[in-house]
Amino acid sequence: GEDVEQSLFLSVREGDSSVINCTYTDSSSTYLYWYKQEPGAGLQLLTYIFSNMDMKQDQRLTVLLNKKDKHLSLRIADTQTGDSAIYFCAESTSGNQFYFGTGTSLTVIP
Amino acid sequence: ETGVTQTPRHLVMGMTNKKSLKCEQHLGHNAMYWYKQSAKKPLELMFVYNFKEQTENNSVPSRFSPECPNSSHLFLHLHTLQPEDSALYLCASSSSGSTGELFFGEGSRLTVL
Repeated sequence: GEDVEQSLFLSVREGDSSVINCTYTDSSSTYLYWYKQEPGAGLQLLTYIFSNMDMKQDQRLTVLLNKKDKHLSLRIADTQTGDSAIYFCAESTSGNQFYFGTGTSLTVIP
Repeated sequence: ETGVTQTPRHLVMGMTNKKSLKCEQHLGHNAMYWYKQSAKKPLELMFVYNFKEQTENNSVPSRFSPECPNSSHLFLHLHTLQPEDSALYLCASSSSGSTGELFFGEGSRLTVL
């Protein structure tokens, strides 16, 4: 499968911005995704970006895509304690193939 | 509620047992997936079914046996598992639509003793 890499942990203070980074290897990715997993739950789609875009904003979330460096980031503005979760970066290529990273565990300190 | 239901939520089994995990989706999707989630490892794609046909078997050991009787149901049959198979097994579904978003169930937490 393809390699999708993320750091395992991130801690931020409530009210600060969080930036979660991801690198991937497949240059033919069609879509790139950010999923959120809360404790005891499955993954839920937060946002996605088409591979021909370089930025997408959705309320407190900003996704940046650097296709040349194969780097994807998720910025959460004004991070709240409810944002504490595991965030997965994922890419889809041809057909129904989705590849995920390890997930980044975000801890928000009150 | 994501429209994807997995049972059981928790399963403890010995290495000689035979058990099955079940997944059901009510979303009208045509593709279903099994993923394995282990701590500190990437989410691992195991199997993909598209219109009931297996399209991906990601070098999964034969002690895991999938079954997809129709587009709404997916099973993972387990036999003679090893302790390192203990993990969260996630089922997902998708439609061959524009963004291909995956919808996940809440997972089945498997412990092999």
